[in-house]
Amino acid sequence: DTAVSQTPKYLVTQMGNDKSIKCEQNLGHDTMYWYKQDSKKFLKIMFSYNNKELIINETVPNRFSPKSPDKAHLNLHINSLELGDSAVYFCASSQPRGPGTNEQFFGPGTRLTVL
Amino acid sequence: DQQVKQNSPSLSVQEGRISILNCDYTNSMFDYFLWYKKYPAEGPTFLISISSIKDKNEDGRFTVFLNKSAKHLSLHIVPSQPGDSAVYFCAASAGANSKLTFGKGITLSVRP
Repeated sequence: DTAVSQTPKYLVTQMGNDKSIKCEQNLGHDTMYWYKQDSKKFLKIMFSYNNKELIINETVPNRFSPKSPDKAHLNLHINSLELGDSAVYFCASSQPRGPGTNEQFFGPGTRLTVL
Repeated sequence: DQQVKQNSPSLSVQEGRISILNCDYTNSMFDYFLWYKKYPAEGPTFLISISSIKDKNEDGRFTVFLNKSAKHLSLHIVPSQPGDSAVYFCAASAGANSKLTFGKGITLSVRP
């Protein structure tokens, strides 16, 4: 049974389009994240939600809008896609057990290609 | 500004030998460190972690060492197995629920 799932796994689209990536976790975690892995292979945080509330918002263009309908889901909507948005996007979730704990569990990733 | 650095892009070791993967960090606020393993076309998988109040954590073949004064941690895999061949990411966080800051990753190849 998949713990953190993402759809779609691959997404190819034209510049200027609007697209969404969905994420669901069945771990009962309160916190979910979106990370972007760019062409240089760095994994960088984009957003984090705790119990449907935004708690981390890194310097991300406002074309990217996360939405959390409930604590098990965190979707990512991207408007007016640009070539530079091509990357692999990973969703993750965590449930800290106390100070100094933060294991995050990742989904399989969505490879977005903007043509 | 790279706060977590994995300076070696790759490492090749013989099966049965020890693999030592290194990681350095610059942010003194980091209090939790993690290692993730990643296969191609999959998401990172949590491997092992260590809190800043410890200097060693062991889980089977995997041991992580933390040297806070040097801002350095390392992952030891012994004995190395061909199935360990993957990209290994070092990550750090400051506080619960905070973001993970990742290194660039190191590609480990274990030769049969």
